[in-house]
Amino acid sequence: DIQMTQSPSFLSASVGDRVTINCKASQNINKYLNWYQQKLGEAPKLLIYNTNNLQTGIPSRFSGSGSGTDYTLTISSLQPEDVATYFCLQHSSRPFTFGSGTKLEIK
Amino acid sequence: EVKLLESGGGLVQPGGSMRLSCAASGFTFTDFYMYWIRQPAGKAPEWLGFIRNKANGYTTEYNPSVKGRFTISRDNTQNMLYLQMNTLRAEDTATYYCARSLSFWGQGVMVTVSS
Repeated sequence: DIQMTQSPSFLSASVGDRVTINCKASQNINKYLNWYQQKLGEAPKLLIYNTNNLQTGIPSRFSGSGSGTDYTLTISSLQPEDVATYFCLQHSSRPFTFGSGTKLEIK
Repeated sequence: EVKLLESGGGLVQPGGSMRLSCAASGFTFTDFYMYWIRQPAGKAPEWLGFIRNKANGYTTEYNPSVKGRFTISRDNTQNMLYLQMNTLRAEDTATYYCARSLSFWGQGVMVTVSS
């Protein structure tokens, strides 16, 4: 199985800050990497698919990058409504596997 | 509007069985792979498996962690997705989500395995 190491586990930042969350795969996942946002009590929502494609309806302050084994989710200017837990998912190789999550709070 | 509504969860004893349902609407059901994903409270999600679309023969794939105990099926006449879970264990306790492709998830249904 491909292991997804996500960091940091917890992140506190101020409104307007640039925020980055990372996922490292245990092997090359060929950009088959999605990012999800999960607010408290809700289902995960897709933000970015296949590394850098913004899902319809998602604000442009969210972006993704990466290749090979290393991937990054960036929020260019943190907003209060971005408080959530963020997960990465590799869907290059079955079983598909998720990162352990990053809990993002406003400082 | 795309909608996915899971049902059938609740409390079940260890060793028991349960079938979850997912009612889909707002899209052409047969065009899409459909997934089951679960998430224990406070933990990361876990992919359970999927059933392919019409073009790919409705075949299934499973996470080895549940293969042989869980079965995914679909009723394309009713736009329904199912997850049959057998020989349930305490560690199967989680919120279970159905998802269209990997892009849209339902609200989830809770399953608790406990005596």
